Amino acid sequence: SAVISQKPSRDICQRGTSLTIQCQVDSQVTMMFWYRQQPGQSLTLIATANQGSEATYESGFVIDKFPISRPNLTFSTLTVSNMSPEDSSIYLCSVNSQNSEQYFGPGTRLTVT
Amino acid sequence: QKEVEQNSGPLSVPEGAIASLNCTYSDRVSQSFFWYRQYSGKSPELIMSIYSNGDKEDGRFTAQLNKASQYVSLLIRDSQPSDSATYLCAVHFSGNTGKLIFGQGTTLQVKP
Repeated sequence: SAVISQKPSRDICQRGTSLTIQCQVDSQVTMMFWYRQQPGQSLTLIATANQGSEATYESGFVIDKFPISRPNLTFSTLTVSNMSPEDSSIYLCSVNSQNSEQYFGPGTRLTVT
Repeated sequence: QKEVEQNSGPLSVPEGAIASLNCTYSDRVSQSFFWYRQYSGKSPELIMSIYSNGDKEDGRFTAQLNKASQYVSLLIRDSQPSDSATYLCAVHFSGNTGKLIFGQGTTLQVKP
């Protein structure tokens, strides 16, 4: 499976500010995914990021709030914009492997005060 | 709306017992099914994949799939306290989007 890293691992931010989360993979992958996991909840897909095209957002998530970049096949960023306390979550990136298996990065724990 | 459902638990079993975790899904044509283990404060770890009806065994873990009943389960034999975690069921629904839909997870507690 791919080795995935995320930066930062955690951050505490003030409301109204923005945070960009980076996801780096040690091999080239076609699809990268961004998830949110709110406290005590399961994973919710935010968007799918394919290199060379606009990200595809799930219902309830919009590009203005969660802009995503995918400049190459090993890297992606997710920005959480104009943050509010409701954005306090763990943000996870994942990549596809064969047979639709997905592997996750270590996550970014975000607290908005 | 494609859904994956799990009993949130907690499911409590004594050490050495068999833990049985269950998951149902809404789309009959789903192709791929996964079990993830998530320890508190950690990211999900893939522990089992299953694609066809029947059982698939890997060490102490057995995944069972019944597509007619839209049901997938995970059995953990000889449960250990280190198995205490949240277990997430995930389903890849038909199509080539690669997206997984996750259940809400079942918390397993293995008591020494």
